[in-house]
Amino acid sequence: DVHLEESGGGLARPGGSLRLSCAASGFTFSSYSMNWVRQTPGKGLEWVAYISSRGRTKYYAESMKGRFAISRDNAKNSLSLQIDTLRDEDTAVYYCARGTSCSNTTCPSNDVFDVWGLGTMVTVSS
Amino acid sequence: QVALTQSPSASASLGASVKLTCTLTSGHSSYAIAWHQQQSEKGPRYLMRLNSDGSHTRGDGIPDRFSGSSSGAERYLTISSLQSEDEADYYCQTWDTGIRVFGGGTKLTVL
Repeated sequence: DVHLEESGGGLARPGGSLRLSCAASGFTFSSYSMNWVRQTPGKGLEWVAYISSRGRTKYYAESMKGRFAISRDNAKNSLSLQIDTLRDEDTAVYYCARGTSCSNTTCPSNDVFDVWGLGTMVTVSS
Repeated sequence: QVALTQSPSASASLGASVKLTCTLTSGHSSYAIAWHQQQSEKGPRYLMRLNSDGSHTRGDGIPDRFSGSSSGAERYLTISSLQSEDEADYYCQTWDTGIRVFGGGTKLTVL
């Protein structure tokens, strides 16, 4: 059964840091690109970051550049998101989502987000 | 840069059909998209990939009550035989080099 499970959320102070994790199972994690998506309370889905299957290519939403860092450990079937200098507006549910199947050499850009985790809530408040 | 526009809300009666629209920005009418469903207090669920020619591939376990179609820059999600559990937010999503994009979502109310 294909499964993604996020962890690491919680209450954090403005200016602090948080590291979110996503554990993958049921598929060959190293063959897929992955993404983080967030959803602020009562709002829509917002793409945060992308990483290719081998971790060589990373993309970030314009508003996330500089404070967010996506990474992966294929040996541990794990995806991470480091968020630094936390702001109130980072309060959101953070989801990991599977992108697309990649070849040995490249990932196509057609990420359809076909598997989602349940999300982990991040609350930034003093 | 590609962007997606969705109407904020839609409604239809139990047992009826509804067609939701997602519009691509000018110059991006050849782009494929994906549709996702998010029921209240739940994580999103992938429904289908929809190509510019209207061909679509549903996700695992998605019933054929959910179908997609395309016309120019418009991408549609049609839900037939509406059930109460179809009441949800529906998001379209697309991609380009260096960017992934979501529409603002449509809140579907089943009357």
